[in-house]
Amino acid sequence: AQSVTQLGSHVSVSEGALVLLRCNYSSSVPPYLFWYVQYPNQGLQLLLKYTSAATLVKGINGFEAEFKKSETSFHLTKPSAHMSDAAEYFCAVTVSGGYQKVTFGTGTKLQVIP
Amino acid sequence: DAMVIQNPRYQVTQFGKPVTLSCSQTLNHNVMYWYQQKSSQAPKLLFHYYDKDFNNEADTPDNFQSRRPNTSFCFLDIRSPGLGDTAMYLCATSSPTGEAFFGQGTRLTVV
Repeated sequence: AQSVTQLGSHVSVSEGALVLLRCNYSSSVPPYLFWYVQYPNQGLQLLLKYTSAATLVKGINGFEAEFKKSETSFHLTKPSAHMSDAAEYFCAVTVSGGYQKVTFGTGTKLQVIP
Repeated sequence: DAMVIQNPRYQVTQFGKPVTLSCSQTLNHNVMYWYQQKSSQAPKLLFHYYDKDFNNEADTPDNFQSRRPNTSFCFLDIRSPGLGDTAMYLCATSSPTGEAFFGQGTRLTVV
């Protein structure tokens, strides 16, 4: 079975500062990893995904994440935070091969301070 | 264009009164999911369909049922909602690479 752990349920950054949201995974086979964003009263929107190609993945809204097998990490970053980035972010993991359950982390709520 | 559509967006129901939430998809994906998300928590998988094969999570209450009459549509039925069932309900489909596509969710309030 696979799992993800998100470090920090709440993260605050100043507008213009670096955003770093942490995610570590556990999987006995090569994983597929995702970051989703959720705005209040909305569904989840895919930011980016890693599916065993390039380890540095670029997503929407200026976000990117790097898959580091040695550290079992998939941290989400953005060089400069915007007010509109304030939302909840979920890391998720699955594995390839037919249907496989997608497992979500507990989420990190990002606050952007003007 | 919306690919996973949930109706209604907001639903208020009385304690014990059956309620049905609906979901449709235009992606033609084999896999459809229903998640329950309570405030400030991660989505919790209730069940999923692989085509017409229904798979219940072990801890999903019997009060929750689902129907999938065809590839495009899936329904969540809550037979006797309790106050603890107040939550956002998310429908999703899954691509062959495991990427999940979510609807906007239905926020259910049980009063």
